[in-house]
This record gives sequence, structure tokens and C-alpha cells, in this order.
Amino acid sequence: QSVLTQSPSVSGAPGQRVTISCTGSLSNIGAGYDVHWYQQLPGSAPKLLISDNNNRPSGVSDRFSGSKSGSSASLAITGLQPEDEAVYYCQSYDVYLSGAWVFGGGTKLTVL
Amino acid sequence: QVQLVESGGGVVQPGGSLRLSCAASGFSFRNYGMHWVRQAPGKGLDWVTFIHYDGSKIYYSDSVRGRFTISRDNSKNTLYLQMSSLRAEDTAVYFCAKTLSSTSSPSYNSFDIWGQGTMVTVSS
Repeated sequence: QSVLTQSPSVSGAPGQRVTISCTGSLSNIGAGYDVHWYQQLPGSAPKLLISDNNNRPSGVSDRFSGSKSGSSASLAITGLQPEDEAVYYCQSYDVYLSGAWVFGGGTKLTVL
Repeated sequence: QVQLVESGGGVVQPGGSLRLSCAASGFSFRNYGMHWVRQAPGKGLDWVTFIHYDGSKIYYSDSVRGRFTISRDNSKNTLYLQMSSLRAEDTAVYFCAKTLSSTSSPSYNSFDIWGQGTMVTVSS
């Protein structure tokens, strides 16, 4: 059971917009800690997609955007492309766990 | 370019030990905190341990505290993970990851560069 909760899967057709949610609590996201998002393609290492809730690192497409509200966060992907098919993880920090950086369980995005 | 390369994985019996290394290049390794993150086969990401840029502060997940030791040699641009008393549930790909910022608090920092990972299998 992950500290951050994500839906196991989401799907969308090419060109569509999808959102992936990440629900935390008052000990992590709700405590003000930033949320970061990672994309993991099959057989590859995770890649930083969104940092500090809504910042895209250099080289990341502007089709990806992040937001945070209260104890939750969301990743939005617009103009879905086949190469977006991957697992997406949210990550934050939990103050109740002894020095714990925490990840969501991951959401598998399928491009139909 | 900025790169992290892990090594040292392999097959080890339960109760055994293994030391992983993570060689850094392309950035000022001595200025950045570093993490180890693992991923069991078919599972999600699981944070393992963190070390400050100068080694002054170290944190472990409850699942590995007392069995794993993180360290770094800034003169060799290398991060280490000494794993002992290994269990079947430690079987995973182990990634080293760099913190994005050298100045922000580690608890707010993302992991901006990841290695390719090294597989550790604990089995008799």
C-alpha cells in the first residue's frame, strides 16, 4: 500500500487529453511538500517529467503539465501520442515517516 | 553529459551481502545529495536511502535500516550501497538518482538524473 495513491491505469486515444491523479495526506502533499512526476517507459529508468508541482525540466514537452491542490496533485497530458504509453509515478516527502521520500504506486497509461 | 552508472548487482543467497556502486560523471558530484531507489520485478518505485552531499546526513527506509549502508566518496565521484542480511524481498533493480538542486532542501527536491539500474536477486 503506497503512501501516495494513484489509479492503476488510465487510457486515451491519440490526440486526447488525460489526467493522472495522486492523492496524499496532511503528512505529505497536504503538509506543503512538493510533488514531482516521473515517466517510466518499458525497460527503462524513470525520467523526471514535472518537478516542484508544475515545472518542466528542459527538454520535456509542454504537452505535460502538473498541478497541486490541498493534499492532491495531478498530471495532465494533452495531445496524446503513442510514445506517451508508459507508467507515471508521483513522488513527494512524508513528514511522519523517518526521512521518507515516497512514491505513488504508478499509473499505467495506455494509448488506444 | 550528466550520467550515473550503477554496477555490482548479481545473485546472492539469503543472508548474504553485496555492494553496489554508482559512478557519476558530467556534474559536480560533491555538491549534490544522492538517493538509492529500487523496483521489484513488476512493481513500483520504492525509495531506499539518501545521503547529503557531504555525507553529514543519511536517511533509510524502515525496510532496510540496520541492514543497508549508504556512503559516498566525493574524490572518486562514486556512491555506494552496502547491503547485508539480504532477504528475498530485497530482489529488485536498484537505481541511483541525483537530486535536482544543490541548494534546495532535500525533502523538497526531485530526482532529476537516474542511472540505468543494476539487478539484485536474492535467492537460494
